[in-house]
Amino acid sequence: DAGVTQSPTHLIKTRGQQVTLRCSPKSGHDTVSWYQQALGQGPQFIFQYYEEEERQRGNFPDRFSGHQFPNYSSELNVNALLLGDSALYLCASRTATNEKLFFGSGTQLSVL
Amino acid sequence: DQQVKQNSPSLSVQEGRISILNCDYTNSMFDYFLWYKKYPAEGPTFLISISSIKDKNEDGRFTVFLNKSAKHLSLHIVPSQPGDSAVYFCAASLYSGGGADGLTFGKGTHLIIQP
Repeated sequence: DAGVTQSPTHLIKTRGQQVTLRCSPKSGHDTVSWYQQALGQGPQFIFQYYEEEERQRGNFPDRFSGHQFPNYSSELNVNALLLGDSALYLCASRTATNEKLFFGSGTQLSVL
Repeated sequence: DQQVKQNSPSLSVQEGRISILNCDYTNSMFDYFLWYKKYPAEGPTFLISISSIKDKNEDGRFTVFLNKSAKHLSLHIVPSQPGDSAVYFCAASLYSGGGADGLTFGKGTHLIIQP
């Protein structure tokens, strides 16, 4: 039973570029959330998707957008990258009725 | 404005002794709390949770205590084992009834278990 899988594991981009990160939830899970973890900080909630719609959003600008597909997988898109967007991006999934979040290993994004 | 605070960046405990990790929160609307453990190069792993209607929840070597009046929770690990060495995150949420909403995390405490 595969857990939450994310791709790619590492990514280097240049300021101003756009990036897409991908996530496949754990089998049986239908709700996907994205978190940003900067160095030395705890994960910060970006947004949550359920039934292909954004259900809740944290305090992030609209340069951060996402999508959920019919198979429950999800993408995180970041436009006009800033140096401060360098972080570990974590995807997490759960079922709609269970609070227990399962996290992937993350995508380490470096913006130069 | 940090709503969940873990004031100890690191904690060193001898193997076999009790590890106590602390967490404070400021938002009185939080009603669901979780602890996650994180090893390097891995995502956080769920450890234990507690609803605000309880003051204690136990799972094997792990016990979480919640003091709502003080807005404080703690994680007790007893006995501590070498594999417990990791970063521990406290997280809080508004329980929506259909599963927890976006979690607010603390900055983490690096627990080091010494032989």
